[in-house]
Amino acid sequence: DQQVKQNSPSLSVQEGRISILNCDYTNSMFDYFLWYKKYPAEGPTFLISISSIKDKNEDGRFTVFLNKSAKHLSLHIVPSQPGDSAVYFCAASQTSGSRLTFGEGTQLTVNP
Amino acid sequence: DTAVSQTPKYLVTQMGNDKSIKCEQNLGHDTMYWYKQDSKKFLKIMFSYNNKELIINETVPNRFSPKSPDKAHLNLHINSLELGDSAVYFCASSQNQLAKNIQYFGAGTRLSVL
Repeated sequence: DQQVKQNSPSLSVQEGRISILNCDYTNSMFDYFLWYKKYPAEGPTFLISISSIKDKNEDGRFTVFLNKSAKHLSLHIVPSQPGDSAVYFCAASQTSGSRLTFGEGTQLTVNP
Repeated sequence: DTAVSQTPKYLVTQMGNDKSIKCEQNLGHDTMYWYKQDSKKFLKIMFSYNNKELIINETVPNRFSPKSPDKAHLNLHINSLELGDSAVYFCASSQNQLAKNIQYFGAGTRLSVL
């Protein structure tokens, strides 16, 4: 049962434009969401998170939006830079626990 | 200084062999994890230890046995390796077991079973 889904395996954008990565979840008990970024041959690194009591969290060029009613979150990167090219994983959890459930990732390519 | 380091980075072995992957973190974290990334790229948790105590044990074959000699180390031993064990295994750590704590990942161990 895939509780976190990233339906776009890949996304290509031009440098300077906005990148929007999407994630859907099915478990209504999830109340904490994270985005991780992964370069080849490296482990995932934490990017940004959001609690279900918020609908938006911003950190520099990165903003995460949460729509609880739709069980949907998105990561906006603006402006996109070539160094942002990586695989982005969405993850969800219950704050009372320690288990992260990951999506399958979206490969972002930012073209110069 | 690497915060979460795992060795080896690559492991190629024959079916039926027994192998171990080691993980160490120098962040002073209490909780450590093992994840498996399969061919479909999903990262799935296998085990989690908090202060040397097992707190998450997913439905993993009992050929996989984690061992935590202290809270800075979490090793993964795999007996009787099978073709389906081929994957990338990631170790991670976090300050404590609450999910809102950021998990820091190692670079991964790519296991190939021939």
